[in-house]
Amino acid sequence: GAVVSQHPSRVICKSGTSVKIECRSLDFQATTMFWYRQFPKQSLMLMATSNEGSKATYEQGVEKDKFLINHASLTLSTLTVTSAHPEDSSFYICSARPPGQPNTEAFFGQGTRLTVV
Amino acid sequence: AQSVAQPEDQVNVAEGNPLTVKCTYSVSGNPYLFWYVQYPNRGLQFLLKYITGDNLVKGSYGFEAEFNKSQTSFHLKKPSALVSDSALYFCAVRDTGDNYGQNFVFGPGTRLSVLP
Repeated sequence: GAVVSQHPSRVICKSGTSVKIECRSLDFQATTMFWYRQFPKQSLMLMATSNEGSKATYEQGVEKDKFLINHASLTLSTLTVTSAHPEDSSFYICSARPPGQPNTEAFFGQGTRLTVV
Repeated sequence: AQSVAQPEDQVNVAEGNPLTVKCTYSVSGNPYLFWYVQYPNRGLQFLLKYITGDNLVKGSYGFEAEFNKSQTSFHLKKPSALVSDSALYFCAVRDTGDNYGQNFVFGPGTRLSVLP
């Protein structure tokens, strides 16, 4: 099946620094990717939709300047958490679907555990 | 607007017994329905989906789910639970009236614990 790879799987950073998370579709081109945040024992919260070659679409309440999304190619989207603070500590997950196949399930990255100290 | 409910936060079942994880949904059009499983500190793994056709769909690891349009439900089932099935389970829906590229809507998740 299709594979989505997310890197790093775990990162610890100091408060005030920025962290970049990569999401790659390994065997298909993804014009759209999705970024989620998951709090402990809770469901996935959609943060933004990443669109190749154009600006990301952010969900209400998500700070665009805090969570920078870049979708520079058809196989790579990045999420940068800028000036990270302890409250940004969370589990971040990306997903993508092969294009032109609306019936297809979404494929998810392995997730990134971000801890801001 | 689409929505998904999973009425049980936690389901406990003894190993070898049948298990059911419940899901109900609300969409404006016809639904595409999905079940995913998440193990600790991992992404979501696809289990099965209903798009059209037979209401009973079979998926990975012996799981199956039944689409019931009148009850707007898509409960996940397995005839004989394994301890290794213990994980967090998410039901998700996409509206067939939804534009391509838009998001899935996920339920809150149900934690399944299979006791040896």
